[in-house]
Amino acid sequence: KAGVTQTPRYLIKTRGQQVTLSCSPISGHRSVSWYQQTPGQGLQFLFEYFSETQRNKGNFPGRFSGRQFSNSRSEMNVSTLELGDSALYLCASSSWDGNGDTQYFGPGTRLTVL
Amino acid sequence: GDSVTQMEGPVTLSEEAFLTINCTYTATGYPSLFWYVQYPGEGLQLLLKATKADDKGSNKGFEATYRKETTSFHLEKGSVQVSDSAVYFCALREAGGTSYGKLTFGQGTILTVHP
Repeated sequence: KAGVTQTPRYLIKTRGQQVTLSCSPISGHRSVSWYQQTPGQGLQFLFEYFSETQRNKGNFPGRFSGRQFSNSRSEMNVSTLELGDSALYLCASSSWDGNGDTQYFGPGTRLTVL
Repeated sequence: GDSVTQMEGPVTLSEEAFLTINCTYTATGYPSLFWYVQYPGEGLQLLLKATKADDKGSNKGFEATYRKETTSFHLEKGSVQVSDSAVYFCALREAGGTSYGKLTFGQGTILTVHP
């Protein structure tokens, strides 16, 4: 099976702009989670979607939003970008394997805000 | 809330040395525990997992045992290789219906293996 794919791999934006990142899960996986990775804060959970519904959300401002489509592909959007939003954004897909769900990560999108 | 604490890094070893990276956790209930590895410029790769007390996860020579009594999940490998150089993350997923899709990660441990 193909792994989790994320596009684009690299993005450069300026403060105040908005950005949309895309994630295609492993075929058959219906849950997609998003994480932000920074040197200072480490890996932090943004939100999780399942069957087009957000089931869980981390402690991020409302500028961070997401959605999931009927084919399980997911997008996240960050509006009014700030310098501190520069990070590696990772998405992960998962499927119940009878022993709990295990998350498989994509390569990430590196966002730089200037 | 849930938390994961990993040993401070970086860790520098010679090839064929024994590796231990300590991981302890705080959680309510009975979490599942994971080790992920991240190579430069890449995402996270699942290394191993354990879903209940006394389970041992193993993969590619790495092992970790879920110790509920000490709330630990230490990663070990008997003989490291240069190719094992990477950042290692310990993570937990809380059991229960309010933790959908959320992994809580430790801060990561940088491992460098010299020839």
